Order: sequence, then C-alpha cells, then structure tokens
Amino acid sequence: GENVEQHPSTLSVQEGDSAVIKCTYSDSASNYFPWYKQELGKRPQLIIDIRSNVGEKKDQRIAVTLNKTAKHFSLHITETQPEDSAVYFCAASSPSGGSYIPTFGRGTSLIVHP
Amino acid sequence: EAGVVQSPRYKIIEKKQPVAFWCNPISGHNTLYWYLQNLGQGPELLIRYENEEAVDDSQLPKDRFSAERLKGVDSTLKIQPAELGDSAVYLCASSLNKGSEQFFGPGTRLTVL
Repeated sequence: GENVEQHPSTLSVQEGDSAVIKCTYSDSASNYFPWYKQELGKRPQLIIDIRSNVGEKKDQRIAVTLNKTAKHFSLHITETQPEDSAVYFCAASSPSGGSYIPTFGRGTSLIVHP
Repeated sequence: EAGVVQSPRYKIIEKKQPVAFWCNPISGHNTLYWYLQNLGQGPELLIRYENEEAVDDSQLPKDRFSAERLKGVDSTLKIQPAELGDSAVYLCASSLNKGSEQFFGPGTRLTVL
C-alpha cells in the first residue's frame, strides 16, 4: 500500500516568513495530492490540491509543487500570518484497484509567531 | 450548503460499553468515509461507502466495529465493546464520488475510561 512521510513534524516561523512542508510517497501510481489544514479541535479542511499532470499550483499565498520522478511534493506558504498556525496534513491518493483512498502523513504543526 | 454533520461531538464511556456515531454527508455525495484520528497523527481510513455498498473496509476491526449506510445517505459506526485503545477522534467525510475532494465533518471525540 501507499506510505506517506511528512516533515518536519513541527515548524516554527516568524510572521512574514515563508514555511515549507515536505512529503514523500511510495506508490508511483498515486495521482492526487491534497493538503489539509486542521486547527485545534476542528475538522480538516482542504486548502489546496494537485494532480499528477501538473507540476505546480498556486493559490494566493499557498503553493504546492510535485516532483513525480522523486515522488515528493511540498506545500509552500509565503508571508505567513498568525492565523496560519495549525496542523497541516499531506495526503497521496492512488487509483490502484479503483480505490482512490488517500493516505495521510502524520502532520506538521505550524506555529507562526507574531 | 450544509457541511458534513456528525453527532455526538463528544462521548465518554466506560470500557466494554457499546457506542455509536452518526454521520450525515453533504447532499448528493455518493462516497462516505469513516476515519480514525489519534492525537498527533493523520486520519486513518476505517471504511468507505459507495452509495450503500461498503468497500475498502480492510482497516475496520470487524470483531468489534461495524458500520452501515442503509439508504446510501446517513451512516452509523458502532463499537461493541469499546476498549481503552479506541479513544480517538472519529471523523466522517464525504465526496461527490471516489477520487474527488473530500469534505470532513467535525468529528466525534471518544474517550473510553
């Protein structure tokens, strides 16, 4: 099955700095890579996603890059703000067997200091 | 549009007691997921439904866990009997179909004493 590794587990930055979270996956058939933000005690919410036919996607201060050859993808947040503080999860979804079940990373706790 | 609804939000029970969680997905979403999320970890899939059919249930501990989605809409996840290690957040999610964006419910935080 798919295995997703996520680093770092904790990331502390100053407001205005950039933050980068990296994930690797094992199943070369995976073709959908969503990123979720989960604030304390709340539900995970999709913030951006990318499919394997695209190398990069950007939405305002958030961008995701995908390197299919190396099987890794990254989340980039620029001009971080205190409200960006949350746990971020990456996931990789493989169509193998028709499942499309996402396998999640263990999460990165992002702390943005004012 | 209403999001995914789950109840209860919190549940405290003693070990060996039964417990049930309820999920109402977004209207029109054919695919429904139940996840388990332990503290400090990402969600782990327990079971996925395509309409009323349960698929991808290999991670569901079938000796104590059961789930149903009788009319292909609401779903119930049951644990009987609960064990201390079942303490976690149980998340329900739905999507229009498999492979499309998942929307999560607020989760049910279960504490087994």
